[in-house]
Amino acid sequence: GNSVTQMEGPVTLSEEAFLTINCTYTATGYPSLFWYVQYPGEGLQLLLKATKADDKGSNKGFEATYRKETTSFHLEKGSVQVSDSAVYFCALKGVTGGGNKLTFGTGTQLKVEL
Amino acid sequence: GAVVSQHPSWVICKSGTSVKIECRSLDFQATTMFWYRQFPKQSLMLMATSNEGSKATYEQGVEKDKFLINHASLTLSTLTVTSAHPEDSSFYICSGTSGNNEQFFGPGTRLTVL
Repeated sequence: GNSVTQMEGPVTLSEEAFLTINCTYTATGYPSLFWYVQYPGEGLQLLLKATKADDKGSNKGFEATYRKETTSFHLEKGSVQVSDSAVYFCALKGVTGGGNKLTFGTGTQLKVEL
Repeated sequence: GAVVSQHPSWVICKSGTSVKIECRSLDFQATTMFWYRQFPKQSLMLMATSNEGSKATYEQGVEKDKFLINHASLTLSTLTVTSAHPEDSSFYICSGTSGNNEQFFGPGTRLTVL
């Protein structure tokens, strides 16, 4: 079945540091890939997505590239801010049935300090 | 993005009682709603998918008689945990799908069963 593995947190960075959160997946065919962000006390929000190999999703300075050869969708940001502190979830939506079902990773908590 | 609310945000109940959690789409019509369960430091696990006016489709291993789901309108779905036990303590999250199939998530409900 489908699965998503992402790096465990918490990840603690200083403001303006470079961020990478690793995400790899297992799925048949070409799933769609997503990064969601959850700020304290709020619901998950879609951060970015990519629907086919070599696509790059980007939003708010975050980027992730769909790498079919390495089954990865790592999240990056060149310069993090304190306001980026949140929990980040990698997810996929498969192509073999299942409709809109999402499979999530365990989430990675990011803490950005001054 | 669209807004989904959940009520209550947290609830404590005695073992053997039933608890109802509401999920509302505030500014869109959710033809499909999803219910997830999240354990500490684990990923969101899909419990069931419900389409407005139809019976919910439960994931393997989820007891449909224990977790009753009602999706009577395009803006409201409810999850009732019947005869709750301490092992049902968890974080329950709902999401709704609008016409473009993006899922919008609620902030979650923390259930503690004593």
